[in-house]
Amino acid sequence: SQQGEEDPQALSIQEGENATMNCSYKTSINNLQWYRQNSGRGLVHLILIRSNEREKHSGRLRVTLDTSKKSSSLLITASRAADTASYFCATLNDYKLSFGAGTTVTVRA
Amino acid sequence: DGGITQSPKYLFRKEGQNVTLSCEQNLNHDAMYWYRQDPGQGLRLIYYSQIVNDFQKGDIAEGYSVSREKKESFPLTVTSAQKNPTAFYLCASTLTGGLNEQFFGPGTRLTVL
Repeated sequence: SQQGEEDPQALSIQEGENATMNCSYKTSINNLQWYRQNSGRGLVHLILIRSNEREKHSGRLRVTLDTSKKSSSLLITASRAADTASYFCATLNDYKLSFGAGTTVTVRA
Repeated sequence: DGGITQSPKYLFRKEGQNVTLSCEQNLNHDAMYWYRQDPGQGLRLIYYSQIVNDFQKGDIAEGYSVSREKKESFPLTVTSAQKNPTAFYLCASTLTGGLNEQFFGPGTRLTVL
């Protein structure tokens, strides 16, 4: 079952702008992970945040987690054309990942 | 180079035929997974294996079968019982316990003619 739901479904921004996408989920989790997928390719892991963490950074990525609201956000700062991709949140529960439908991000030059 | 390989990249099948998708990893990971992705959707778990000679059904196992005879290999068979097999299939692996990030292969696109 797909537990995570991303919002918005699609996002178009200008190069250099920030992109923010949100993820909501329904049940308790061990951790929450964000992945990127370029068209027709496999997924690439971006960042993992554990259930006892509130915020995590990796390069231009910032992830927050609010377990009381069962939600997470991914912020990409100073976007580049190469950031054009689909982004998925995935929640880990009982050693299984459940993925949302993703946010498609287009960065315009 | 360490990683996960999937073959073939594209696969065409006639209705009523079984096909097997290959997944191999040299990351020394214990756990391996098969997902299905349909256009505009996220990934759905088909089967997973946490250790050799053991595997469990995921959310959409009907019409699929797997084996895990070697740590490095986790082939997926799409049987004729799968009613709508046309999709993008992704294999992944992770360290023991499955609490870490998953590493994905490049995928196999299966089309039923």
